[in-house]
Amino acid sequence: QKEVEQNSGPLSVPEGAIASLNCTYSDRVSQSFFWYRQYSGKSPELIMSIYSNGDKEDGRFTAQLNKASQYVSLLIRDSQPSDSATYLCAVDPYNFNKFYFGSGTKLNVKP
Amino acid sequence: NAGVTQTPKFRILKIGQSMTLQCTQDMNHNYMYWYRQDPGMGLKLIYYSVGAGITDKGEVPNGYNVSRSTTEDFPLRLELAAPSQTSVYFCASSYFARGEGELFFGEGSRLTVL
Repeated sequence: QKEVEQNSGPLSVPEGAIASLNCTYSDRVSQSFFWYRQYSGKSPELIMSIYSNGDKEDGRFTAQLNKASQYVSLLIRDSQPSDSATYLCAVDPYNFNKFYFGSGTKLNVKP
Repeated sequence: NAGVTQTPKFRILKIGQSMTLQCTQDMNHNYMYWYRQDPGMGLKLIYYSVGAGITDKGEVPNGYNVSRSTTEDFPLRLELAAPSQTSVYFCASSYFARGEGELFFGEGSRLTVL
């Protein structure tokens, strides 16, 4: 069983603040990590992927990976009400395109 | 370009009935997947396929069957439906590039078993 753990939230932040979402995984050999956003009643969509230790930035989003500590995080700067959604962490342990998801963290951005 | 198309979008089944969820993709992706999502939960992998004729179990395969006779289609069969199978089912596809695959999801099929 590939365990991917997330705090279910909800995480509430004011508009303009930084939202920090965390994910831990159990399989130490895991290679590829992904963050998906899912609006209520919709299907997930990819936001970020990260494969190497360190930070990866894309606009207001930054993914951080620490393989030694087995965690991956997502920072959302200048949070907007439109960022309110559930954020799902996914892991592809062996780069076989077989993806395991966490339970998701619900983010509420208050105007 | 329709992407991943699932049918039906909604279905109510009685306990013990059977049905097939249809999924087709027009992106020529070699990988296809079925996930289920229970309320307030993440996605659990039911089955996946690396190409026509090749399927493999995921985390929660019991009570389901799949087949992959073509690149485009990946139907999910539910035999003897049980209330525990009430969920939203997502079909997805990806193009295999080692470690760099992005999942493309269908809109989901909401199934209720009463």
